[in-house]
Amino acid sequence: GENVEQHPSTLSVQEGDSAVIKCTYSDSASNYFPWYKQELGKRPQLIIDIRSNVGEKKDQRIAVTLNKTAKHFSLHITETQPEDSAVYFCAAFLSGYALNFGKGTSLLVTP
Amino acid sequence: EAQVTQNPRYLITVTGKKLTVTCSQNMNHEYMSWYRQDPGLGLRQIYYSMNVEVTDKGDVPEGYKVSRKEKRNFPLILESPSPNQTSLYFCASSYSGSNQPQHFGDGTRLSIL
Repeated sequence: GENVEQHPSTLSVQEGDSAVIKCTYSDSASNYFPWYKQELGKRPQLIIDIRSNVGEKKDQRIAVTLNKTAKHFSLHITETQPEDSAVYFCAAFLSGYALNFGKGTSLLVTP
Repeated sequence: EAQVTQNPRYLITVTGKKLTVTCSQNMNHEYMSWYRQDPGLGLRQIYYSMNVEVTDKGDVPEGYKVSRKEKRNFPLILESPSPNQTSLYFCASSYSGSNQPQHFGDGTRLSIL
């Protein structure tokens, strides 16, 4: 199976609504979980990350939650805006050094 | 300006013709990595390097080589490119790799005919 699974693959929300993207991972030793945003034709850029000693982290409209027991973590975007439209990737460091990404979620925020 | 620089940005070439994609970072990062991005498959790690002369395979290393002779450079080598290596490639670096944010280059779009 995949090391990092991400759902949903596409997500459409109306401006102002919340969006939630979920990821699960397989390696219980993973200790760092970043989220990247990729706009069309551009490089992935880190938007938020969380380490295994923290359960939740928030940065303005973006938050990430981590459940180490269940091996899943989620990205929450509140008060979505059209400029939030992009592809979002979760990732987890496996075995300490390799980095595995989820397959991505294409988020569309409609005005 | 802190950055990861990849060259070339675009390349169209033919099967079997050796090519090298260069990657250079100016942040004194120890960890560098190569990824390929394909529609529906996300980003998949090809190779990574924890430091000079230390490299290791990622998820999809077949058909690729890397070297890390200097801390700032991490070239990706395709000795005999094939059409299934047509993809968008990203180089990235981070301070130590284990739990640090990755800084990505702008990407290299390779087309192997």
